[in-house]
Amino acid sequence: DTAVSQTPKYLVTQMGNDKSIKCEQNLGHDTMYWYKQDSKKFLKIMFSYNNKELIINETVPNRFSPKSPDKAHLNLHINSLELGDSAVYFCATRSGGYEQYFGPGTRLTVT
Amino acid sequence: AQSVAQPEDQVNVAEGNPLTVKCTYSVSGNPYLFWYVQYPNRGLQFLLKYITGDNLVKGSYGFEAEFNKSQTSFHLKKPSALVSDSALYFCAVRDLRDSNYQLIWGAGTKLIIKP
Repeated sequence: DTAVSQTPKYLVTQMGNDKSIKCEQNLGHDTMYWYKQDSKKFLKIMFSYNNKELIINETVPNRFSPKSPDKAHLNLHINSLELGDSAVYFCATRSGGYEQYFGPGTRLTVT
Repeated sequence: AQSVAQPEDQVNVAEGNPLTVKCTYSVSGNPYLFWYVQYPNRGLQFLLKYITGDNLVKGSYGFEAEFNKSQTSFHLKKPSALVSDSALYFCAVRDLRDSNYQLIWGAGTKLIIKP
């Protein structure tokens, strides 16, 4: 069983569209994150979320919104996609020992 | 300000030689330090961490790292490199300001092991 899974793996869409990326974990961890990795491989935290608190990186546009239907899922919804949103997006969870477990990533290409 | 620095964009090592990937940090309190590895087109994988205790920590795939408080460093090491160790390595430190234990990430170091 994959611990942290994401769908889709690849997403190609046009500017202005709205899209979602799904993340599911079967580790039972309380805290989940969304990251953006740009073309230079730099990692940027976008959101962290547990069942008590959502923390939003202040530099993330409000076109991005996390949605958690339950403890095992943290989806990322993106409105009005822009060219600069093209990147690889990673979902991750945090264990009680503080290390994070990453999903395989979703490569988003906006044309 | 809290930060993590990986001073080398790329490290080249011959197979069988020892390798070191450098990381320095700046935090105001006791650091929680981590190393992760990313293989091409994959997610990051946890390698090892320092929270407290022994300064030398051992992790996956034969890697180890030494916490040096006076030098504020947490260099990743391996005694004998394998071609399969070629990947992108990230150092990270826990953001002490964040209740969700977010990490502050280094820019990554590309490790190339040549046969």
